[in-house]
Amino acid sequence: ELKVEQNPLFLSMQEGKNYTIYCNYSTTSDRLYWYRQDPGKSLESLFVLLSNGAVKQEGRLMASLDTKARLSTLHITAAVHDLSATYFCAVVRAGNMLTFGGGTRLMVKP
Amino acid sequence: EAGVTQFPSHSVIEKGQTVTLRCDPISGHDNLYWYRRVMGKEIKFLLHFVKESKQDESGMPNNRFLAERTGGTYSTLKVQPAELEDSGVYFCASSTRVTYGYTFGSGTRLTVV
Repeated sequence: ELKVEQNPLFLSMQEGKNYTIYCNYSTTSDRLYWYRQDPGKSLESLFVLLSNGAVKQEGRLMASLDTKARLSTLHITAAVHDLSATYFCAVVRAGNMLTFGGGTRLMVKP
Repeated sequence: EAGVTQFPSHSVIEKGQTVTLRCDPISGHDNLYWYRRVMGKEIKFLLHFVKESKQDESGMPNNRFLAERTGGTYSTLKVQPAELEDSGVYFCASSTRVTYGYTFGSGTRLTVV
């Protein structure tokens, strides 16, 4: 059974600081997603990572994938308040269903 | 293009009542998924439709949950009778057969009291 573990589950950080969210998964998968969710809103797709060594960047967020270690990271550079949200990683399993991590609630303080 | 629409956005019902959630996927998306996030836990898969057919319903918690997808368009998820542990946020997502993207709706927050 595919398990996805995300940490930390809660992260409070100061504006301007850097931090990394980790996503470990237990079995082989060919796709990993990162989503952002604002309260009461839908899950917004941030990145799709398809292959080992994949790195994608959008603004202050950078995601990477190491399929051998079954690890993805979401790195936040010089955080700003607008990045406050809950971030989920999700791994595709057989049948194209997503298995989600527990989510990381990020609060960026001025 | 219009996104995935779910309604109601919130529903508060008493234990033992029936509730029906609706999801309108993006037009032309054959795949439709239901997920649920119970308070404090991870988002979990419930079921998957391809057009009007149930492809996988292995995540449905029990027979109090019934999902349908009429004509391969919108889908409904009925909970009857609702129990306290059914409270949570129910998400719907849709995708095409050939892309890697899933588009999620805003979810329905169900509270059973």
